[in-house]
Amino acid sequence: DGGITQSPKYLFRKEGQNVTLSCEQNLNHDAMYWYRQDPGQGLRLIYYSQIVNDFQKGDIAEGYSVSREKKESFPLTVTSAQKNPTAFYLCASRTTGANVLTFGAGSRLTVL
Amino acid sequence: EDQVTQSPEALRLQEGESSSLNCSYTVSGLRGLFWYRQDPGKGPEFLFTLYSAGEEKEKERLKATLTKKESFLHITAPKPEDSATYLCAVHPPQTSGSRLTFGEGTQLTVNP
Repeated sequence: DGGITQSPKYLFRKEGQNVTLSCEQNLNHDAMYWYRQDPGQGLRLIYYSQIVNDFQKGDIAEGYSVSREKKESFPLTVTSAQKNPTAFYLCASRTTGANVLTFGAGSRLTVL
Repeated sequence: EDQVTQSPEALRLQEGESSSLNCSYTVSGLRGLFWYRQDPGKGPEFLFTLYSAGEEKEKERLKATLTKKESFLHITAPKPEDSATYLCAVHPPQTSGSRLTFGEGTQLTVNP
């Protein structure tokens, strides 16, 4: 079945460490997105990419980095510069010409 | 600034007790309003897209409607399996890359 796979499901990090969250899709979608979800807040856009080798900052990009070397993959690195990284991270994708986002199951990052 | 406000924050219903969730927005020239369902610890699942005032969409016990300033998600005779957080999102007219603005969600609990 086509879909979006995020890994790991749960991740624990010590302060000062960088961590990378994986997002892989087999939907042949062109655009991919990373959102952050905190309790009581709406989804906030971190980064998005509309084509391979190109990406744009979203509303809360500080402390995060991404790459888009393959159409299927859009990994997110949470760097030590992110002051409050504990959150639920959601990856999504969209096919060209459609506005509907398909989401992965999410990755929960906890900083110890 | 484009804003999306959902109410109530939480709603508790008895099985069979119909009700409505509200999503109000301040976007002018809307390019689409989206409803998603999110179960705990999972990614959002797409329900409906509405594009113009007066439009209605239905799926099982759910019906979404749209006016110029708000959308309603009507739940008729809900069942416990309808318990979830319902998210509303809008696609503003001037944004690129389908950057959606999400509301904070309504957490629905349906008791048997």
